[in-house]
Amino acid sequence: GNSVTQMEGPVTLSEEAFLTINCTYTATGYPSLFWYVQYPGEGLQLLLKATKADDKGSNKGFEATYRKETTSFHLEKGSVQVSDSAVYFCALSPTYGQNFVFGPGTRLSVLP
Amino acid sequence: GAVVSQHPSRVICKSGTSVKIECRSLDFQATTMFWYRQFPKQSLMLMATSNEGSKATYEQGVEKDKFLINHASLTLSTLTVTSAHPEDSSFYICSARQGGDYGYTFGSGTRLTVV
Repeated sequence: GNSVTQMEGPVTLSEEAFLTINCTYTATGYPSLFWYVQYPGEGLQLLLKATKADDKGSNKGFEATYRKETTSFHLEKGSVQVSDSAVYFCALSPTYGQNFVFGPGTRLSVLP
Repeated sequence: GAVVSQHPSRVICKSGTSVKIECRSLDFQATTMFWYRQFPKQSLMLMATSNEGSKATYEQGVEKDKFLINHASLTLSTLTVTSAHPEDSSFYICSARQGGDYGYTFGSGTRLTVV
C-alpha cells in the first residue's frame, strides 16, 4: 500500500538555523509528492510539490527533491524564521486524480 | 488562485445534535471534493470522497450513516455529523480538485467540539 513516514517532532530551532525534515514514502507506481504547511488555527497550504523523479520543488526558501532511488522527499530550508513555526506534512498522491496520503506531520518551532 | 471556503470555522454543539459543515469552491468548479479528519497532534485521515451528483465513497471504518455527505452542485459539498458525540470532536478539513496540474486546494477547516 501507499504510506508516508516523517521524522517525529517537535523540532525546535533557533532563528536562522538550517532545517531538514525527513520524509520517506512507499508507493506503487510513480506518485507525486507534496509538502503542506499548517499554521496555528488554519487549514493546509501547499508549500511545494514534485511530480517526477529528480524534480525539485521550491517555495519561500524551502526546497525538496524527489529521490526515487531512496524514496525520499526531504524538506530543507537554509535559514528559518520565527514565522516558519507550523506543522509540516509530507504527502503523496498515487496517481493523477486520486487523493492524498499524508504523513503524521512534524511540528516546527522556531525561537527568536 | 483557487479558493475553497469552509464554514463554520468553529462550532460547539450539544451531544445528540447534528452539525452541518459546508465546503465551497469559490472560483472554480469541483467535481470531486474530499473530507478529512484530523485528531489532535495527528495527521489528516481521509474520511470520504465526495462526487458531484452521486454518492460519496467512504473510507474503511467511516460510518456513512453518521457522516452524511452531499455534493449537490459543482461548487458545494456538505458534511453533516449526525447525532454527534464527544468522540466526534475533531478538526474537519475539506479539499477540492480544480483540475489540471494537481490543483488541490484545502479549506481552512472546521473545529467541532461536542459537549
